[in-house]
Amino acid sequence: ETGVTQSPTHLIKTRGQQVTLRCSSQSGHNTVSWYQQALGQGPQFIFQYYREEENGRGNFPPRFSGLQFPNYSSELNVNALELDDSALYLCASSWDRVSEQYFGPGTRLTVT
Amino acid sequence: EDQVTQSPEALRLQEGESSSLNCSYTVSGLRGLFWYRQDPGKGPEFLFTLYSAGEEKEKERLKATLTKKESFLHITAPKPEDSATYLCAVQDPMEYGNKLVFGAGTILRVKS
Repeated sequence: ETGVTQSPTHLIKTRGQQVTLRCSSQSGHNTVSWYQQALGQGPQFIFQYYREEENGRGNFPPRFSGLQFPNYSSELNVNALELDDSALYLCASSWDRVSEQYFGPGTRLTVT
Repeated sequence: EDQVTQSPEALRLQEGESSSLNCSYTVSGLRGLFWYRQDPGKGPEFLFTLYSAGEEKEKERLKATLTKKESFLHITAPKPEDSATYLCAVQDPMEYGNKLVFGAGTILRVKS
């Protein structure tokens, strides 16, 4: 059984640019959640997708957007990057909207 | 919003020296409490889910317990490979589905 995968592993962008991060959910999982983890902190919820629809959103501005595809993989897009967007971005998948979430290895984004 | 506080922030143990990590939470109605292990630069690894006061779960040298206001992660006779950050999270309901609200974590170092 393949776990949650994310790409790329690391990314360096310049302030003002746009970035797309990708996530493949674990086999059989139809729900994907995205989190941002700053250094030394716990993950912060960005949003959740269930069957291609946004299911809920945390306290992140609209320049953070996402998609979920028919195969339940997902993308996180961030426009107009700011220095504070530098963080580890984590994707988690689950069997449904309420069961335990399994995380991928993360994408380390550095904004200079 | 639900809040999760973990203590201590960091813990240093000698190999074989048992101890406990604490996770206290404020929620209107607990739907689930989760423990994760996170190695540096990697995604959180799921350990346990607890749903009701009095519940206990065990895995190797780890045992998680739950009361109405807090959870403990007991580590018995730890080994250096148990060194990691341990994260606690509670399920916070949204209109549809649940998100996870995390504590900042406890950094555990076990020396041989």
